Amino acid sequence: QKEVEQNSGPLSVPEGAIASLNCTYSDRGSQSFFWYRQYSGKSPELIMFIYSNGDKEDGRFTAQLNKASQYVSLLIRDSQPSDSATYLCALDSGGGADGLTFGKGTHLIIQP
Amino acid sequence: DAGVTQSPTHLIKTRGQQVTLRCSPKSGHDTVSWYQQALGQGPQFIFQYYEEEERQRGNFPDRFSGHQFPNYSSELNVNALLLGDSALYLCASSWGLDRGTNEKLFFGSGTQLSVL
Repeated sequence: QKEVEQNSGPLSVPEGAIASLNCTYSDRGSQSFFWYRQYSGKSPELIMFIYSNGDKEDGRFTAQLNKASQYVSLLIRDSQPSDSATYLCALDSGGGADGLTFGKGTHLIIQP
Repeated sequence: DAGVTQSPTHLIKTRGQQVTLRCSPKSGHDTVSWYQQALGQGPQFIFQYYEEEERQRGNFPDRFSGHQFPNYSSELNVNALLLGDSALYLCASSWGLDRGTNEKLFFGSGTQLSVL
């Protein structure tokens, strides 16, 4: 059974600093990895996905994947109060019909 | 361009009742997935529909069933409701059925179901 582990937090980061969110997973067959942001009472929004080892950057966000260590992370540079939300890590096995397996999410608070 | 729309937004039912939730996918999308999100948890995959067939199913009992219509809209039915079925039910749509399907996933705002 696939498991995705995240520290539930809250993780408190000062405005302008780098927020680092981490996720580990159990299934070595996992192929694609996703980071979603979910504001309270809202639906998840895709931030970015990654499927190759290494770093992938998109604006202030960088996803990092290490398949050998079964570890994926999300860095948020120049954190803003509007980044305060729950960040969900998710994965699939690469098949078209695969549903996503989500972690419980990390609650991030950016302190002004 | 309307995104993924779900109805109703909120619903209150009692134990043992049956419920039907509805979803219209984003324009141009033909794949619909359903997720259950309990309070404080991440979403859990229920099932996915493509070409009016259930293609993949998560670890949910047969009380959870679904349907996809020719216009790609979908319904989620839950029979014999339990207190533990109280959750936010999210519909997500995408297009195609390949490795990139989840990369194009858009979520609706969800239906909040409360079972008393």
